[in-house]
Amino acid sequence: QKEVEQDPGPLSVPEGAIVSLNCTYSNSAFQYFMWYRQYSRKGPELLMYTYSSGNKEDGRFTAQVDKSSKYISLFIRDSQPSDSATYLCARGYSGGGADGLTFGKGTHLIIQP
Amino acid sequence: DVKVTQSSRYLVKRTGEKVFLECVQDMDHENMFWYRQDPGLGLRLIYFSYDVKMKEKGDIPEGYSVSREKKERFSLILESASTNQTSMYLCASSLPTSYEQYFGPGTRLTVT
Repeated sequence: QKEVEQDPGPLSVPEGAIVSLNCTYSNSAFQYFMWYRQYSRKGPELLMYTYSSGNKEDGRFTAQVDKSSKYISLFIRDSQPSDSATYLCARGYSGGGADGLTFGKGTHLIIQP
Repeated sequence: DVKVTQSSRYLVKRTGEKVFLECVQDMDHENMFWYRQDPGLGLRLIYFSYDVKMKEKGDIPEGYSVSREKKERFSLILESASTNQTSMYLCASSLPTSYEQYFGPGTRLTVT
């Protein structure tokens, strides 16, 4: 079983809708979780990261971790066409990022104007 | 503005050729990484380095080697390119205790 599972989509929603992107992970030892956004023909860029469980909010974006169900979510409020991209969840071990990240396959999101 | 640059955006090589992919970062980061990205498989870690002359295998190191002679430069080497190494290659860098990795734009390598 891959460590981080993610539905590749595509997920298509109308502009202004609330978007929910999800991942599941297999190892309860994971403590750091990240969301990266990747536009077409670009490298990924970090959107948000969370430690352990709970919510973290940044503008229109909310990251949520539910350790009991091993579920990671990213919510986008008031979605815009500029949010159209591939969203990658990732996990890291505690102690820093030196050992690299394990990514999900990414969900391709399309926001229709 | 932080920057990770990769030597080529597109590269076409023949089977059996030795291929060098270069990555340079200007952020004085200790950690550097090489990933490959394939449809349906996502991003997978090939090698990483946390210091000059240091290297560690990632999840899929077979068929690859790396070199880090200077802090700002991390090279990925395909000793004898094969068609199954056709992929998008992404380089990244980060500070030692940070999960924020800064990625380059990628090199799309085609091996024929």
